[in-house]
Amino acid sequence: SQQGEEDPQALSIQEGENATMNCSYKTSINNLQWYRQNSGRGLVHLILIRSNEREKHSGRLRVTLDTSKKSSSLLITASRAADTASYFCAPTGNQFYFGTGTSLTVIP
Amino acid sequence: GAGVSQSPSNKVTEKGKDVELRCDPISGHTALYWYRQRLGQGLEFLIYFQGNSAPDKSGLPSDRFSAERTGESVSTLTIQRTQQEDSAVYLCASSLMLDTQYFGPGTRLTVL
Repeated sequence: SQQGEEDPQALSIQEGENATMNCSYKTSINNLQWYRQNSGRGLVHLILIRSNEREKHSGRLRVTLDTSKKSSSLLITASRAADTASYFCAPTGNQFYFGTGTSLTVIP
Repeated sequence: GAGVSQSPSNKVTEKGKDVELRCDPISGHTALYWYRQRLGQGLEFLIYFQGNSAPDKSGLPSDRFSAERTGESVSTLTIQRTQQEDSAVYLCASSLMLDTQYFGPGTRLTVL
């Protein structure tokens, strides 16, 4: 299965701290994407990193990809209460599967 | 609007009834996906349409579930003889090939 597995399943931090979430997968990919979900509704795309990239930044987000270890991490710096959400990775090769997500709580 | 839309936003039905959920993808998106998400859980892949290719139905949980898509337009997900375990949010997404997926707001299905 190409399904991503996020770790940890739940994370609680204080506002201003950094949050790191990890994703592992099993097969080769073309790219890996991270999404955020608020309140159990639609997911919002955050960032896409291609298989030939090792790191990518977007605002307070930093994504790394290690294809040799089949893993990726999402770092949110200087977290805010509004970052409270579930975060999903989606390793994408021939198909597109989501993991079970990391539930992040940022305490004001 | 330019986004993915789904209807209805909420559906309450009685056990044993059939329901039909609709997804309007972003115009021009060749790929369309259906997912199910039970309360507090991750996304469960149901079915994937890509252009005129045969859909990937590998995620459909039983033969009570079916989906159709005409060309690169609207898709409908049908659940026959609904069961209480079918209660969930059903999410639709569309994309250009295997690129960023754009999600609709979902349909919250409650089976009494």
